Amino acid sequence: AQKITQTQPGMFVQEKEAVTLDCTYDTSDQSYGLFWYKQPSSGEMIFLIYQGSYDEQNATEGRYSLNFQKARKSANLVISASQLGDSAMYFCAMRESPDYKLSFGAGTTVTVRA
Amino acid sequence: SQTIHQWPATLVQPVGSPLSLECTVEGTSNPNLYWYRQAAGRGLQLLFYSVGIGQISSEVPQNLSASRPQDRQFILSSKKLLLSDSGFYLCAWSAGGRGKFFGPGTRLTVL
Repeated sequence: AQKITQTQPGMFVQEKEAVTLDCTYDTSDQSYGLFWYKQPSSGEMIFLIYQGSYDEQNATEGRYSLNFQKARKSANLVISASQLGDSAMYFCAMRESPDYKLSFGAGTTVTVRA
Repeated sequence: SQTIHQWPATLVQPVGSPLSLECTVEGTSNPNLYWYRQAAGRGLQLLFYSVGIGQISSEVPQNLSASRPQDRQFILSSKKLLLSDSGFYLCAWSAGGRGKFFGPGTRLTVL
């Protein structure tokens, strides 16, 4: 069964606007972690933000914030004030206990327009 | 600070040839190490992970193997490559659950 679902294969956003990337997950674990990674055309995977299942506050890292809705099992990424350099593929991932394997979604391509 | 290296960056190999991809991590001890493969335009598939020297767990049956001869070295190998082995191979490390950090990747084309 698919553990991470990203329903938006591609999105366009205007420069300086905010964009929300959807991610839903499926787990029966009580302890898990949710991650977002950015993959530009160079191929490197850049860690953006992390949300633990027991974290009460939504995670934020600069222009990135994670809208964590535990009951709905969603962990959407919000990028505020989009920049041209934000154009990339974005992956949502989940770590389930007890090991530290990550399951990845299929990704969302974001294209920022000037 | 921690860094992770992978080489080679790109590789073109004929079908049936052997493979050896290397990954090393600096600046940390006893990391968990991972090999992922990414097909073009797709998400990442976990191939192997290791929690210590000589300890390898395989996630999918395939003609690839992994070894961890030293604490911060992780090697992905194959005796005979298949066309389906083409892809982008990423090594990653983590120490604890909060983050997994990836190397620059190796783009493998099997012809």
